[in-house]
Amino acid sequence: RKEVEQDPGPFNVPEGATVAFNCTYSNSASQSFFWYRQDCRKEPKLLMSVYSSGNEDGRFTAQLNRASQYISLLIRDSKLSDSATYLCVVRPISSGSARQLTFGSGTQLTVLP
Amino acid sequence: GAVVSQHPSWVICKSGTSVKIECRSLDFQATTMFWYRQFPKQSLMLMATSNEGSKATYEQGVEKDKFLINHASLTLSTLTVTSAHPEDSSFYICSAGWTGGYEQYFGPGTRLTVT
Repeated sequence: RKEVEQDPGPFNVPEGATVAFNCTYSNSASQSFFWYRQDCRKEPKLLMSVYSSGNEDGRFTAQLNRASQYISLLIRDSKLSDSATYLCVVRPISSGSARQLTFGSGTQLTVLP
Repeated sequence: GAVVSQHPSWVICKSGTSVKIECRSLDFQATTMFWYRQFPKQSLMLMATSNEGSKATYEQGVEKDKFLINHASLTLSTLTVTSAHPEDSSFYICSAGWTGGYEQYFGPGTRLTVT
């Protein structure tokens, strides 16, 4: 079983649609959770951290369910510029100075005009 | 915010040659640097973690004699792909952080093509 699993998509949605991505992780001791965005042939960029209480940043809402080991990302009123691959990222508990990240394989989103 | 650069951004080399990729933290001291590899339509896979002044820790399945990592200063880490083969063609990305910090800052990546 992969440490972080995502639906690969692709998700093709019209502008203005609401789209949700899901992610599950296998290590129940995982410490921190993030959504990253990666554009084609570019490095991943942090979109938002995910907190147990849920958090919102503009059109983006992230939820974490530790009991189910499940993370979600909701994008409302999608824009053409939201087209990208969305990576679910988990930081397992680690010792020392290394703070490694484990990446899901990503969910591809295309927002259509 | 913290800026990480990589050089070169892309490189084409012949099979059997070695390629060096540099990762620099431009405005902060990076005690830890991570090297990732990403094949098309796949996720980033951590190759190794390097702490300044010590040997890199390689992930299972990554050959340390083939992928040489040096982190000699707090602002520079290098990855050398030795005797490159076509199957080493990939997108190599570094990230940098510091002790106690939670963030990792990613470089723009290096696209390696081995012919």
